Amino acid sequence: AQKITQTQPGMFVQEKEAVTLDCTYDTSDQSYGLFWYKQPSSGEMIFLIYQGSYDEQNATEGRYSLNFQKARKSANLVISASQLGDSAMYFCAMREAGGSYIPTFGRGTSLIVHP
Amino acid sequence: ETGVTQTPRHLVMGMTNKKSLKCEQHLGHNAMYWYKQSAKKPLELMFVYNFKEQTENNSVPSRFSPECPNSSHLFLHLHTLQPEDSALYLCASSQALAGETNEQFFGPGTRLTVL
Repeated sequence: AQKITQTQPGMFVQEKEAVTLDCTYDTSDQSYGLFWYKQPSSGEMIFLIYQGSYDEQNATEGRYSLNFQKARKSANLVISASQLGDSAMYFCAMREAGGSYIPTFGRGTSLIVHP
Repeated sequence: ETGVTQTPRHLVMGMTNKKSLKCEQHLGHNAMYWYKQSAKKPLELMFVYNFKEQTENNSVPSRFSPECPNSSHLFLHLHTLQPEDSALYLCASSQALAGETNEQFFGPGTRLTVL
């Protein structure tokens, strides 16, 4: 079974609007971390935001926020005020204590921001 | 130089060639990773090194041979590759392997084409 599921292969958003990228995860660990990365066409994976399983508040980093719903095992990325430079692949990932901390990545969501 | 660097950025090789990919991190991290990213496939973890010791070999064919001479450098030696090995090879590092909070920092990748 997939540990990280990103159900949206592609998303489109108008510039300046907000967009939510979905991520659900599967773990039996109590202690784990969730990450989002951005991969532009240049190839480099850029770390965006982190949410710990024990964090009670949703993580935020500038225009990025994480809608963390632990009971539903979801960690959706919200990008506010989309910019053309946000067009990229976005990957959700997880580290579990029980998984020897080896990161697991989802298949990614392609985001295209229209002017 | 800062962050994680990879050389070469692009590589074209024949199936009988021997080449090496190089990764260097300037972040003082202790864990380093090799990933393979093929079109239409999820990110595949290949190897993990923690404090220069290999901790993970994800059933990678022997035509890929990693080397980690110190915590800052990671190599991937390639020989007698197949066309299906054509992909983007990403190197990453993190402060440590253990710990669910450790985000990975990625290099720009090497785009490999095997003819």
